[in-house]
Amino acid sequence: AQSVSQHNHHVILSEAASLELGCNYSYGGTVNLFWYVQYPGQHLQLLLKYFSGDPLVKGIKGFEAEFIKSKFSFNLRKPSVQWSDTAEYFCWSGNSGYALNFGKGTSLLVTP
Amino acid sequence: DAGVIQSPRHEVTEMGQEVTLRCKPISGHNSLFWYRQTMMRGLELLIYFNNNVPIDDSGMPEDRFSAKMPNASFSTLKIQPSEPRDSAVYFCASSLGEGSHYGYTFGSGTRLTVV
Repeated sequence: AQSVSQHNHHVILSEAASLELGCNYSYGGTVNLFWYVQYPGQHLQLLLKYFSGDPLVKGIKGFEAEFIKSKFSFNLRKPSVQWSDTAEYFCWSGNSGYALNFGKGTSLLVTP
Repeated sequence: DAGVIQSPRHEVTEMGQEVTLRCKPISGHNSLFWYRQTMMRGLELLIYFNNNVPIDDSGMPEDRFSAKMPNASFSTLKIQPSEPRDSAVYFCASSLGEGSHYGYTFGSGTRLTVV
């Protein structure tokens, strides 16, 4: 079986600060990695995904994530956060045959 | 495409009543997932279907919960009888395959309150 773990459950940043949310996966084979975002009162939306190729993946709204195979990591980054980035962020790993829980994710609060 | 459509958006019911949540997946998606989200447990997978067949229902909390997918365009999640601890937001999601390559598309959820 496989799983992902997110290091921080609650993050508070000021606007314009840089963001990095940690995500580690436990699976030795090929993985497909995703970051989802859930804005307050809304449903989960796909932020970005990695299957293969360039390990630096760019998503919507200025977010990016880097797949580092040696560290089993897929951290989410944004150079300068905005108040509108306040949301829950979920890292998810997909491999055929399994549907996984998303867990609690990381709650990001951006203060003005 | 209208996306994954869930109804109702909000449901308030009394303890002991039957509750039915509905989901219409994206046309062409052959996998459908029901999730429950609470502050305590986060987003939990309850059950998922592939080609209308339940594949894994190990997340269904107890016999009071049941889910059906009579055809490729409709699924229901039923709670009978409902209890206050069932209060949560229930999300339906659909995908191509198991979602491992394309990811999931989520509906807007049903906020259930059992009083």
